[in-house]
Amino acid sequence: EDQVTQSPEALRLQEGESSSLNCSYTVSGLRGLFWYRQDPGKGPEFLFTLYSAGEEKEKERLKATLTKKESFLHITAPKPEDSATYLCAVQGAYGGATNKLIFGTGTLLAVQP
Amino acid sequence: GAGVSQSPSNKVTEKGKDVELRCDPISGHTALYWYRQSLGQGLEFLIYFQGNSAPDKSGLPSDRFSAERTGGSVSTLTIQRTQQEDSAVYLCASSATVNSPLHFGNGTRLTVT
Repeated sequence: EDQVTQSPEALRLQEGESSSLNCSYTVSGLRGLFWYRQDPGKGPEFLFTLYSAGEEKEKERLKATLTKKESFLHITAPKPEDSATYLCAVQGAYGGATNKLIFGTGTLLAVQP
Repeated sequence: GAGVSQSPSNKVTEKGKDVELRCDPISGHTALYWYRQSLGQGLEFLIYFQGNSAPDKSGLPSDRFSAERTGGSVSTLTIQRTQQEDSAVYLCASSATVNSPLHFGNGTRLTVT
């Protein structure tokens, strides 16, 4: 069964204190791994798609990396506006798994000024 | 250029009543998805539409749940004889193709009393 586990569940950082969020996954063939950001009362906002091990994507203070078993979202010198829940999701490559994203439960990030 | 629109944003209903939730996807997006997000839970896949047909209904939790899509655009999720465990945020997403990133609406918060 396809599964996504995110850690930590919650993370509190001081402004400027860099850190990483982890997403471990099991899937029978990976079509894509997705990172989303979700603010309270809003729907998830797309950040990145990664397709193969070794791939990296960057956007402002965020960098996502992918291995065969996990993905990391690195946050460099975070600001309070980076506070949000970060969600990881996978799309499988075969059969019905291609029709949906399987999401983890997210990491709640709080960045204090 | 509008995003995914969902209505109502909030719905309070009594146990046993039927409810209809509406989703207007991004214009031109052929794929449409319904997810459910409960407190402390990850996003749970409900159903996927390609055009007006639903090739994957595997996530619908019971036969009280149904969905349709008309004109390759608007979708309605109907929950009959609502139960308290149906209380959650129901999120709709659309994508240009099945392999494109999902773009989410802000959801309908359903409370069953």
